[in-house]
Order: sequence, then C-alpha cells, then structure tokens
Amino acid sequence: EVQLVQSGPEVKKPGESLKISCKGSGYTFTNYWIGWVRQMPGKGLEWMGIIFPGDSDTRYSPSFQGQVTISADKSIRTAYLQWSSLKASDTAMYYCVRGKIVDYWGQGTLVTVSS
Amino acid sequence: DVVMTQSPLSLPVTLGQPASISCRSSQSLVHSDGNTYLNWFQQRPGQSPRRLIYKVSNRDSGVPDRFSGSGSGTDFTLKISRVEAEDVGVYYCMQATHWPPLTFGGGTKVEIK
Repeated sequence: EVQLVQSGPEVKKPGESLKISCKGSGYTFTNYWIGWVRQMPGKGLEWMGIIFPGDSDTRYSPSFQGQVTISADKSIRTAYLQWSSLKASDTAMYYCVRGKIVDYWGQGTLVTVSS
Repeated sequence: DVVMTQSPLSLPVTLGQPASISCRSSQSLVHSDGNTYLNWFQQRPGQSPRRLIYKVSNRDSGVPDRFSGSGSGTDFTLKISRVEAEDVGVYYCMQATHWPPLTFGGGTKVEIK
C-alpha cells in the first residue's frame, strides 16, 4: 500500500527556520516525483514545487522559488520542505503528494507561525 | 502559467439530485504525447484531498461510479449523478500538462440544500 507519512504539527516564531518531512513507503521511492502543496487557512490548493528523488532534480513554482527549499534523502525514502526564515504568512497546511499525477497525498503538516 | 477557472464557487444540491462542476483552462491541456492531464480532487471537511479522476475521465480505484469526468481542450466537467451526503466537500480541478507549475482551480464547495 502506497503511503506518504508527514511529520507532525509545528508552532514557530517569525524569523525561525523549519524543515518538515514526508516519508514514502509501499512503492519504489526513487521512481516517482514528490511534490508539495500549500493550503492556507480557508483557502484553496497551491502547488509549490517537486523533486525527483532518483537524481534530486527539483522544480519550483515561480510563486515559491527562493522562498522555500525542497530536498530529498533517498536512503531513508524521505522528502523535505524547508524555510530559512518563516513569516506569519507561511501559516498553512502543507501536503506532500506523489508525482505530477498527484495520485497520493500525505496527511498534511500544519505549520503555525506566530509571535 | 496555465490558469484554471472553476464554476460555480458554491453548489447547493438536494440529496439524490445531480451536480455538475465546470473547469476551464487558459490554454489547451492536450500534451504533445496525446494525453490530456486534467485531474479532479475531492477534499472532505477536515481531510486531505484525494484524487477522483485522472486524465479527464478515468476514475481512481474505489471512486463510486456516480462520479464522472468529461471534456477536452480547455473545457472540462465533473458530474455527480446522484449526490449523497458523503459527497459534501470542496472539489478542485488541476492540470499537469504544462508544468512547472502544476495549477489548481479555485475550488467548488458542494453542500446539501
């Protein structure tokens, strides 16, 4: 069974750094892209970017380029989304998804940024 | 970027009645490989989204056959033949033909009258 299991909720202050994770199982991790989707409170879905764990090829939405970093460690079947300096506007639910086909979703990681 | 426009924003439906959601793209979603990468997702309250339909009209495993997708080029439709209580939620279309980025429609909220 394909599963994407994300790390738990985070509460951070503006200016702090953060790295959240997404662990894939039930499939060959290096054969599928892993993407990240943002959902701000009460809003729709926004695609942020994607990584191919097999060779770390990474692409970003222009809206998120330079704002976040996507990475992966194929040895532990885990993809990451990180911020170097959080803002209050980064408060959102973040989902990892499998592939450009987006056939599987993680359970989401709620990130709250507040002073 | 390809802009995906959904309508209506909100769709009140009587149980057992049909529902239809429209999704239009700012450019054709036909890929050079001949496929059209248009997906539909359902997000029930408090849950992660799940994919219902891929490549315009293919239902995912476990998706009831009351859900169907159709369309071509720039115009697409998701239909629910007879709405059930468990269908309440927000529905999104998404294109994966012209990427990056993948782009989602703004969502249609389906509720029971």
